[in-house]
Amino acid sequence: AQSVTQPDIHITVSEGASLELRCNYSYGATPYLFWYVQSPGQGLQLLLKYFSGDTLVQGIKGFEAEFKRSQSSFNLRKPSVHWSDAAEYFCAVMGAGGTSYGKLTFGQGTILTVHP
Amino acid sequence: NAGVTQTPKFRVLKTGQSMTLLCAQDMNHEYMYWYRQDPGMGLRLIHYSVGEGTTAKGEVPDGYNVSRLKKQNFLLGLESAAPSQTSVYFCASRERGSSEAFFGQGTRLTVV
Repeated sequence: AQSVTQPDIHITVSEGASLELRCNYSYGATPYLFWYVQSPGQGLQLLLKYFSGDTLVQGIKGFEAEFKRSQSSFNLRKPSVHWSDAAEYFCAVMGAGGTSYGKLTFGQGTILTVHP
Repeated sequence: NAGVTQTPKFRVLKTGQSMTLLCAQDMNHEYMYWYRQDPGMGLRLIHYSVGEGTTAKGEVPDGYNVSRLKKQNFLLGLESAAPSQTSVYFCASRERGSSEAFFGQGTRLTVV
């Protein structure tokens, strides 16, 4: 069965510092991978996605993520964090074939706090 | 352009009562999903649908039923609500293929 693990429940960084949020997935083949962000009391907004091709993908708001097949990881990065980036971040995997096709599974989420 | 609309936004139920949450999308999407979000648990998939008239179980389907009689609507039913079903429920939809999911604003349900 497909699954997603986000090892860090809560991360605190200073404004201007770099950021890396970890995501590990379990799936039998190459899945579709996503990162979403959720501000308090809001729905989820897509930051970026990976389907195939270049393993480094660029998203909105200056975020990027790198797919590493050998490590089953899809970590999210940002070179310089802004106070407005404080939110909860979710990694998600979607089955690309077989009985899991179209099944979209999320990780537990990582809460990001930004200190001024 | 409404996108994904969830009704109601808030609801308080007594244990044992039943209710239906409605998710409506106006984007002609094939796939629709129901999640529940609880602190520290992320979003857990309850049921999903890959097309009109079809449904499938997710990670936490017990205590819930769904129906997709029309392509644009995906209903989530609680036949006999329990306090453990207190949560925020999110609906999402997406187009066929490798596309992103679009989310509603959520329904906050409290079962007392």
